[in-house]
Amino acid sequence: GAVVSQHPSWVICKSGTSVKIECRSLDFQATTMFWYRQFPKQSLMLMATSNEGSKATYEQGVEKDKFLINHASLTLSTLTVTSAHPEDSSFYICSASSGSGANVLTFGAGSRLTVL
Amino acid sequence: AQSVTQLGSHVSVSEGALVLLRCNYSSSVPPYLFWYVQYPNQGLQLLLKYTTGATLVKGINGFEAEFKKSETSFHLTKPSAHMSDAAEYFCAVSFTGNQFYFGTGTSLTVIP
Repeated sequence: GAVVSQHPSWVICKSGTSVKIECRSLDFQATTMFWYRQFPKQSLMLMATSNEGSKATYEQGVEKDKFLINHASLTLSTLTVTSAHPEDSSFYICSASSGSGANVLTFGAGSRLTVL
Repeated sequence: AQSVTQLGSHVSVSEGALVLLRCNYSSSVPPYLFWYVQYPNQGLQLLLKYTTGATLVKGINGFEAEFKKSETSFHLTKPSAHMSDAAEYFCAVSFTGNQFYFGTGTSLTVIP
């Protein structure tokens, strides 16, 4: 079945640094990828929709300059948290879709970011 | 506007008892409906989905859900809870098959 790999699964960084999280579709081409943020014991909040070869579409309230998304190929999307601060600490999950219709989103295992 | 409501943020059942997790959606047109499970510090795993056809959908791990259009519901059930079912469960709807809207989640605790 479809597999989405997310890396790193855990990352700790100092305040002010930037962190990149990768999301790869391992056995299918993902025309669209989605980035979610999940706070402890809460639901997933859609941050942005990433389309291969074009700019990401950000949800209202998400700072596009803070959360840089690049979808340079059909198998890779990256989320870069720039100038990270402790309030950016969260669980970030990506998902990928291989096309249209009633496709099921395949989720990565998530990346836990802790900003000191 | 579309929304998904999961009644009960926490549900506790005894091992072997019936599991019932509730999900209602608000939409003018029937959406695609999904249930996902999340174990601690992991991503989401699809349990089952409804798109068209039979309204009773069977998923993995013995779970099933029934789409009831008149009630705008898609409740998740399992006849007999197992300790390994303890997890967070999310109901989700989609209209395009791509963009998903998630409920707030229900944490299931299984009591031995």
